[in-house]
Amino acid sequence: AQKITQTQPGMFVQEKEAVTLDCTYDTSDPSYGLFWYKQPSSGEMIFLIYQGSYDQQNATEGRYSLNFQKARKSANLVISASQLGDSAMYFCAMRESRGTYKYIFGTGTRLKVLA
Amino acid sequence: EAQVTQNPRYLITVTGKKLTVTCSQNMNHEYMSWYRQDPGLGLRQIYYSMNVEVTDKGDVPEGYKVSRKEKRNFPLILESPSPNQTSLYFCASSLIWGSSGGVSYNEQFFGPGTRLTVL
Repeated sequence: AQKITQTQPGMFVQEKEAVTLDCTYDTSDPSYGLFWYKQPSSGEMIFLIYQGSYDQQNATEGRYSLNFQKARKSANLVISASQLGDSAMYFCAMRESRGTYKYIFGTGTRLKVLA
Repeated sequence: EAQVTQNPRYLITVTGKKLTVTCSQNMNHEYMSWYRQDPGLGLRQIYYSMNVEVTDKGDVPEGYKVSRKEKRNFPLILESPSPNQTSLYFCASSLIWGSSGGVSYNEQFFGPGTRLTVL
């Protein structure tokens, strides 16, 4: 069965440092998409970055990059130069592609950026 | 402004009293979806719709109904709510393929959430 695992319930990082949030996934589908979302304390869900299973290069969006290791089934989010505004809950998600558009989310990692 | 709206934002109700949470998007998206968020469980997909009159179950559909009679609207219906449906509910929408206005189908837009309490 498809599954997303985020093993870090909470993390701290010093402002201006880089941080990696872990995400591993399990699927038998050769075609899938991986996503990261941010949920600040205000509650809204914000799309950050996407990686397709056939993409040759790791996705990047500004300070966010996705470290995609297909053989290890991992899709870690790297945030460079952390800012106080990065303090939030971060969710990893996967979308199946076998003719359906089901999404599966991980349990999230709460990141706290320290001044 | 491109957005997904949900109403109500907060609702306290009692067991067994039917309720509907509305969701509407103004981006002409084909795909719409409902999620519930519970502490320690992340988001779980309840139902999704690929287009008008096309709906399918997510991982936790029990106790919920949906309909997609118009492209912009995707209401979530709880026919007989129970306390275990107390949760934070999110509606989301996206394109089904390609991109529009610089936004790809890979980006889901979420509504602000509806906090439901069932007593």
